[in-house]
Amino acid sequence: DSGVTQTPKHLITATGQRVTLRCSPRSGDLSVYWYQQSLDQGLQFLIHYYNGEERAKGNILERFSAQQFPDLHSELNLSSLELGDSALYFCASSPRTREKLFFGSGTQLSVL
Amino acid sequence: EDQVTQSPEALRLQEGESSSLNCSYTVSGLRGLFWYRQDPGKGPEFLFTLYSAGEEKEKERLKATLTKKESFLHITAPKPEDSATYLCAVGGSQGNLIFGKGTKLSVKP
Repeated sequence: DSGVTQTPKHLITATGQRVTLRCSPRSGDLSVYWYQQSLDQGLQFLIHYYNGEERAKGNILERFSAQQFPDLHSELNLSSLELGDSALYFCASSPRTREKLFFGSGTQLSVL
Repeated sequence: EDQVTQSPEALRLQEGESSSLNCSYTVSGLRGLFWYRQDPGKGPEFLFTLYSAGEEKEKERLKATLTKKESFLHITAPKPEDSATYLCAVGGSQGNLIFGKGTKLSVKP
């Protein structure tokens, strides 16, 4: 158990809908990262928050947004969902930046 | 642009048959080379971090080594429970980790 909690584990929804994925980092970790994993693309970096502030964006679509709250948990919002958004979404945390990441068990999103 | 390439994509071994996985990287300045293990349906699990050429780290049947252009994950006398996807990553300029696509290892009894 990495100490990073993600909910829900599975999410099935329809095209055009909006969903929210939730992540609770390890106790004391200030950095939260979101990654998307698909079979052909591997793990793709989406966005990084540190102590409530956005620090870096990767290949994140404009339809996607995230935030980190004062209690350090984070949410990833995906809207106007398309079939191609179906993937595993991982949250990871670390005490600071540029350190090893601890990953949650992921949310499997299926868009039908 | 920072890049990570892993080979082979898949590797099938017999139990006890040692081998190596390769990770080649292109970065503007190395901020750490990370190895992870990922089991199906689970999140990546941290194995090693290497920071400088010549550095080596070991854990049970696994040993990671680092040169200026690549890293190797050596698996000695593997067991079926070593079957997993092994991911390599480098520290990116944005403070994130940049991952390769992984090597899927299968160890048959």
